[in-house]
Amino acid sequence: DAEITQSPRHKITETGRQVTLACHQTWNHNNMFWYRQDLGHGLRLIHYSYGVHDTNKGEVSDGYSVSRSNTEDLPLTLESAASSQTSVYFCASSTGDAKNIQYFGAGTRLSVL
Amino acid sequence: AQKVTQAQTEISVVEKEDVTLDCVYETRDTTYYLFWYKQPPSGELVFLIRRNSFDEQNEISGRYSWNFQKSTSSFNFTITASQVVDSAVYFCALSVLYNFNKFYFGSGTKLNVKP
Repeated sequence: DAEITQSPRHKITETGRQVTLACHQTWNHNNMFWYRQDLGHGLRLIHYSYGVHDTNKGEVSDGYSVSRSNTEDLPLTLESAASSQTSVYFCASSTGDAKNIQYFGAGTRLSVL
Repeated sequence: AQKVTQAQTEISVVEKEDVTLDCVYETRDTTYYLFWYKQPPSGELVFLIRRNSFDEQNEISGRYSWNFQKSTSSFNFTITASQVVDSAVYFCALSVLYNFNKFYFGSGTKLNVKP
């Protein structure tokens, strides 16, 4: 079955370190998204991609970057982790057609100490 | 600008009670899409339903039903005869035609179903 997987599921890091969260999908979807989930804010879009070599900033992109070198993967990098980036991170993908349903991974819980 | 409001932060019910989760949206676009997702305690988000703005017909799927009313900009979700397994956080989301890949999420409603 096609799926979307995130790794690691849990990560603890220190302030100032670079961290990369992995997202891999086997749906062959063109679109991929990264969100963060914080209490009281729902899900907020960090970055998204509509295809290979395409990346775009979302509403909370400061301090984050992504790259899309193939269809399956969209890794999210925190250049210099800050305590404000402690959150649960979700990756999602969609076909990009009019059906536009986004399918989500299981999430990565990141703690920045 | 688009916005989704889920005013109920947390709801607690006893098993077998019916419960309605409210979702109010704001958009000036005439073509838009509404979604509900479920986030159980395990953490993943599970897609439940998608509705487009031209289809106001209510939908029923087992114990779940959705009431879409454009006149009040609402897309409410009702669970009939709730069960403990319904305990989760439920998110409502909106996207619009000109940028349908961008989702606007509400802040979520946490539902606690007690035995």
